[in-house]
Amino acid sequence: AQSVSQHNHHVILSEAASLELGCNYSYGGTVNLFWYVQYPGQHLQLLLKYFSGDPLVKGIKGFEAEFIKSKFSFNLRKPSVQWSDTAEYFCAVRTTDSWGKLQFGAGTQVVVTP
Amino acid sequence: GAVVSQHPSWVICKSGTSVKIECRSLDFQATTMFWYRQFPKQSLMLMATSNEGSKATYEQGVEKDKFLINHASLTLSTLTVTSAHPEDSSFYICSARPSFGTSSPYEQYFGPGTRLTVT
Repeated sequence: AQSVSQHNHHVILSEAASLELGCNYSYGGTVNLFWYVQYPGQHLQLLLKYFSGDPLVKGIKGFEAEFIKSKFSFNLRKPSVQWSDTAEYFCAVRTTDSWGKLQFGAGTQVVVTP
Repeated sequence: GAVVSQHPSWVICKSGTSVKIECRSLDFQATTMFWYRQFPKQSLMLMATSNEGSKATYEQGVEKDKFLINHASLTLSTLTVTSAHPEDSSFYICSARPSFGTSSPYEQYFGPGTRLTVT
């Protein structure tokens, strides 16, 4: 069965610092990849997704992610974070044989200090 | 567009009672809806996949007689936690996937979640 792992469970950084969150998955076939964000008290929102094509995808709020097939990775990045980026970030994978089901990573709690 | 609502947003019930949670796609039709459970500081765990007009498909380890799912229309799925116990206390989240033929059938849109506390 496939799995999704996020390397960091908790990240604390200052405003203007750069952010990179790791995500690796284990599945040999074709995948769709997602990053979701959950702000405190709010529902999950899609940050960005990768289906095919350019492996560097840009999402909302200045986030981007790079799909590296050889490394089974889909890391999320933001060059300069803001206090409002404090949230929980989830990587998710959908395989082509999963009938649309998403498998989520454990999540990374990001705290941005002023 | 693509808004999913859940009702109620939070509910407290006594042990042994049943609780129904509704998930609605407000501005699109959803042939498929998914139900997730999220424990504090943990990830979302898929409980079941709900397809309109057919029986839900449950993930391994999820008791289908305890978590009854009904997807009677293209905009509504319900999750009923039967004979709830304190260990069922959790955050339940639904998501809806637009039907094929719409603009984004490969997306999933999430509801705000329902906090269930069983006393």
